Amino acid sequence: EVQLVQSGAEVKKPGESLKISCKGSGYSFTSYWIGWVRQMPGKGLEWMGIIYPGDSDTRYSPSFQGQVTISADKSISTAYLQWSSLKASDTAMYYCAARIAAAADFDYWGQGTLVTVSS
Amino acid sequence: SSELTQDPAVSVALGQTVRITCQGDSLRSYYASWYQQKPGQAPVLVIYGKNNRPSGIPDRFSGSSSGNTASLTITGAQAEDEADYYCNSRDSSGNHLRVFGGGTKLTVL
Repeated sequence: EVQLVQSGAEVKKPGESLKISCKGSGYSFTSYWIGWVRQMPGKGLEWMGIIYPGDSDTRYSPSFQGQVTISADKSISTAYLQWSSLKASDTAMYYCAARIAAAADFDYWGQGTLVTVSS
Repeated sequence: SSELTQDPAVSVALGQTVRITCQGDSLRSYYASWYQQKPGQAPVLVIYGKNNRPSGIPDRFSGSSSGNTASLTITGAQAEDEADYYCNSRDSSGNHLRVFGGGTKLTVL
């Protein structure tokens, strides 16, 4: 069974750094793209970027390029999303999702990680 | 980047048919995928490709496309279909990049 398990909720202050994780299991982690989607409170889904863990090829939506870093550690089947300096506007639910079985974008999703940035 | 436009809200009577649309230039060349999201839950893929349903998705969900418009049709809407629906397709900014539409809130009356 394919599973994507994300790290727990975070509460941070503006200017702090953060790295959230997404551990994949039940499939060949290195063979499929995995990415991140933002959902701000009460808003829609925003496609952030994607990584191929096999060779770390990473692509970012222009809206998120330079704002976040997506990485992966294939030795532990885990993808990451990180910020070097959080802003209040980064407050959102973040989902990881994988592109595995379907000829679509993301067909398997994590449970989401809520990030709250507040002074 | 590409844009995908959806109506913010649509309603349907229980058991009737509803079509949710998504417009964008990229849809002239690429199929849309459709996601259902219920409150407090992660999105779920319901339609992808020309008209494909992942395992477990009821056959009352179907997809179609014409010109720059993709459509998700629910034939015989059920109370449990009340949710937000998002289309998704390629972004002209680059390969492997995708973009979501703004979402449609479906209310089943």
